[in-house]
Amino acid sequence: AQSVTQLDSQVPVFEEAPVELRCNYSSSVSVYLFWYVQYPNQGLQLLLKYLSGSTLVKGINGFEAEFNKSQTSFHLRKPSVHISDTAEYFCAVRNSGNTPLVFGKGTRLSVIA
Amino acid sequence: KAGVTQTPRYLIKTRGQQVTLSCSPISGHRSVSWYQQTPGQGLQFLFEYFSETQRNKGNFPGRFSGRQFSNSRSEMNVSTLELGDSALYLCASSSGGKDYEQYFGPGTRLTVT
Repeated sequence: AQSVTQLDSQVPVFEEAPVELRCNYSSSVSVYLFWYVQYPNQGLQLLLKYLSGSTLVKGINGFEAEFNKSQTSFHLRKPSVHISDTAEYFCAVRNSGNTPLVFGKGTRLSVIA
Repeated sequence: KAGVTQTPRYLIKTRGQQVTLSCSPISGHRSVSWYQQTPGQGLQFLFEYFSETQRNKGNFPGRFSGRQFSNSRSEMNVSTLELGDSALYLCASSSGGKDYEQYFGPGTRLTVT
């Protein structure tokens, strides 16, 4: 069964510094990959997704992620974070076919002024 | 387009009672998925309905059930509530197509006392 590992449960970073949130998944068969963000007391919002094609995916709010098939990773990056990026970030994977999304445990990003 | 709506937003129930949560998907979406989110277990998939049929099911006991109506609105029911059922219940809708992009509602916060 597919599983997703987010290696860091919490990441503190200073404002305007770069950040990378790491995500690894277990199965290397055809997959679709997603990053979601959750602000306090809200649902999840899609940041970006990889379905096929270019391995570098750009999303909203200046985030991007790179799909690495050999390392089964899909790390999320932002070159310069803002206070408003403070939130919980979830990596999710879905195998091809009508299978459900599998989520990682989440990474809490705290941006420090 | 209106987003995914969930009612009620907050609910307090007593152990042993039952509860019904409601989700209205984005207009035109035929797939509705339900997730349970807790601090310890993270986001766990409950079930997915597509065109009134359960398409996928997670690993939850039979006390958790759901259904979908012809207008794609969905309800989930939890019977004989336990303290451990306290969680944020998230509903997500999608077109059900290949990219499986899911749009999440704000959730229903259930507290069992």
